[in-house]
Amino acid sequence: EVQLLESGGGLVQPGGSLRLSCAASGFNITNYAMTWVRQAPGKGLEWVSVISDIGGGSYYADSVKGRFTISRDKSKNTLYLQMNSLRAEDTAVYYCARDNYVQISYFYYYMDVWGKGTTVAVSS
Amino acid sequence: DIQMTQSPSSLSAFVGVRVTITCRASQSVNNYLNWYQQKPGEAPKVLIYAASSLQSGVPSRFSGSGSGTDFTLTISSLQPEDIAIYYCQQTSSTPPTFGQGTRLEIK
Repeated sequence: EVQLLESGGGLVQPGGSLRLSCAASGFNITNYAMTWVRQAPGKGLEWVSVISDIGGGSYYADSVKGRFTISRDKSKNTLYLQMNSLRAEDTAVYYCARDNYVQISYFYYYMDVWGKGTTVAVSS
Repeated sequence: DIQMTQSPSSLSAFVGVRVTITCRASQSVNNYLNWYQQKPGEAPKVLIYAASSLQSGVPSRFSGSGSGTDFTLTISSLQPEDIAIYYCQQTSSTPPTFGQGTRLEIK
């Protein structure tokens, strides 16, 4: 069965760091782009970062650029999000998701597998 | 960044009726538009990709249409299990942005 399972969330003080993990099963994460999306309490979805399937290039939302780093470990089939210099506004549920695609003349990407999320709370 | 605006922000309707949610992009996204459903306490789930393609396993009462800047998600006959928040998302350019969501309730 294709699954994603996040871990590593918790309570951290402003300025602190956390590393989130997303363990994949049923597929190889290096065959797909993988994304982190977050959702602040009572708010909508915010795209955070993506790591591409080919070459492993990464992109970040402006709100986290320079503070967060996305990476993956092929041997563990696990995606990571290293979060440094955390702020109160980073408080959210963090989801990892698989970016699948179809080719209908062009490539269309959509997130077809999601984890259940891990909660990050930044507070003193 | 491309801004996505959904309307209405919330909607209440009777079981069995046809429901339409709209999503407007601040610039053309061609048909790089996805729709997600998020039920309370759950992760989002993709319903529609490429504006009008139904994801495998999603009931056929869900459909999507549109291109360019204006898109719609239609539920042909609302069911109790459709209570959720619905989000559109453009993937035309990075960052891939979401609409603010439409909360759907049953009357």
